[in-house]
Amino acid sequence: DVKVTQSSRYLVKRTGEKVFLECVQDMDHENMFWYRQDPGLGLRLIYFSYDVKMKEKGDIPEGYSVSREKKERFSLILESASTNQTSMYLCASRSTEAFFGQGTRLTVV
Amino acid sequence: KNEVEQSPQNLTAQEGEFITINCSYSVGISALHWLQQHPGGGIVSLFMLSSGKKKHGRLIATINIQEKHSSLHITASHPRDSAVYICAEETSGSRLTFGEGTQLTVNP
Repeated sequence: DVKVTQSSRYLVKRTGEKVFLECVQDMDHENMFWYRQDPGLGLRLIYFSYDVKMKEKGDIPEGYSVSREKKERFSLILESASTNQTSMYLCASRSTEAFFGQGTRLTVV
Repeated sequence: KNEVEQSPQNLTAQEGEFITINCSYSVGISALHWLQQHPGGGIVSLFMLSSGKKKHGRLIATINIQEKHSSLHITASHPRDSAVYICAEETSGSRLTFGEGTQLTVNP
């Protein structure tokens, strides 16, 4: 059973904290993505990666960075969390079909 | 403005009804994806299609490339079909652009 696993389902962090969201896939996919999902806005692409150590900005990269040191792991980093980054974060990997993680609901207080 | 438009935004049906969700997109695509999201957040891929029609169980997806339009149909709907259905266009470089989703509620 193929899987995309996100490290946390729920997180509560304080404003200004550095936050790491981890995503691991076991399908040997080259393409991995980080999205955020907000009511009325749908899923929006933050960053994506085509290969190890490769990263590309998506539509809303401000305030975020990513790391892809190994093919199976794609990390999203909030350098200094702010309340407007409270959201549902979804990781995906794909070759053709897309596979999503369960999501991390992050609350920044 | 979102380039992928879904309709309706919300849909309530009675068990057994035939359901149609529509998706329009604005640019040439390499593929159109239909996804399902249940409460709690997990998203599952239902279909990926670039032409014609695909069927899986009670679900059917069609696409008209000339019209830039796709539909997702559910036959003999059931309360367990209640979910958010999302279409997404795939253009270049494996990127997906998502619609805002259609919230489907099927009542027993």
